[in-house]
Amino acid sequence: AQSVTQLDSQVPVFEEAPVELRCNYSSSVSVYLFWYVQYPNQGLQLLLKYLSGSTLVKGINGFEAEFNKSQTSFHLRKPSVHISDTAEYFCAVSDHVSGTYKYIFGTGTRLKVLA
Amino acid sequence: EADIYQTPRYLVIGTGKKITLECSQTMGHDKMYWYQQDPGMELHLIHYSYGVNSTEKGDLSSESTVSRIRTEHFPLTLESARPSHTSQYLCASSEEAGAITEAFFGQGTRLTVV
Repeated sequence: AQSVTQLDSQVPVFEEAPVELRCNYSSSVSVYLFWYVQYPNQGLQLLLKYLSGSTLVKGINGFEAEFNKSQTSFHLRKPSVHISDTAEYFCAVSDHVSGTYKYIFGTGTRLKVLA
Repeated sequence: EADIYQTPRYLVIGTGKKITLECSQTMGHDKMYWYQQDPGMELHLIHYSYGVNSTEKGDLSSESTVSRIRTEHFPLTLESARPSHTSQYLCASSEEAGAITEAFFGQGTRLTVV
């Protein structure tokens, strides 16, 4: 079964500094990857997705991610964070291999932006 | 604007009560999902559906049940609520089976059983 690993449970970073949130997936076949953001007491909002094509994916709010097949990674980056980026971030993969098309989520990374 | 709605947003209820969490989407999506989110924020799939009259158990065992009588509606029911059911429940939908797209999420229902 496919799985997703988010290596960092919490990432503190100062405002205007760059940040990288790490995500690794386990699959030897084609994958479809997503990053979501969750603000307190809210649902999940899609930041960006990789379905095919260019390995560098740009999303909303200045975030981008790079699909790296050889390292089975899909790390999320932002060159300069704002206080408003403080939230929980989830990496997810679509489990199409089993034919169920379920979304498998990582355990989440809490980004805390400090003034 | 197409969207996915969950009601209620917050619910505090006594042990033993029957509850139904509502989820509706206006996007015509075939696939719908229920996730349970721990206080530690991890999401666990508890139910999913490919379309009308289709329901499947997810990866995390749950005492809740679901139904899919209409495409747009995917309610979750707990026959007898217990404190262990206290959690956040997130509903999501995505396009037709066989297509790989993102899932759209509702705002969630935070359930507290006392």
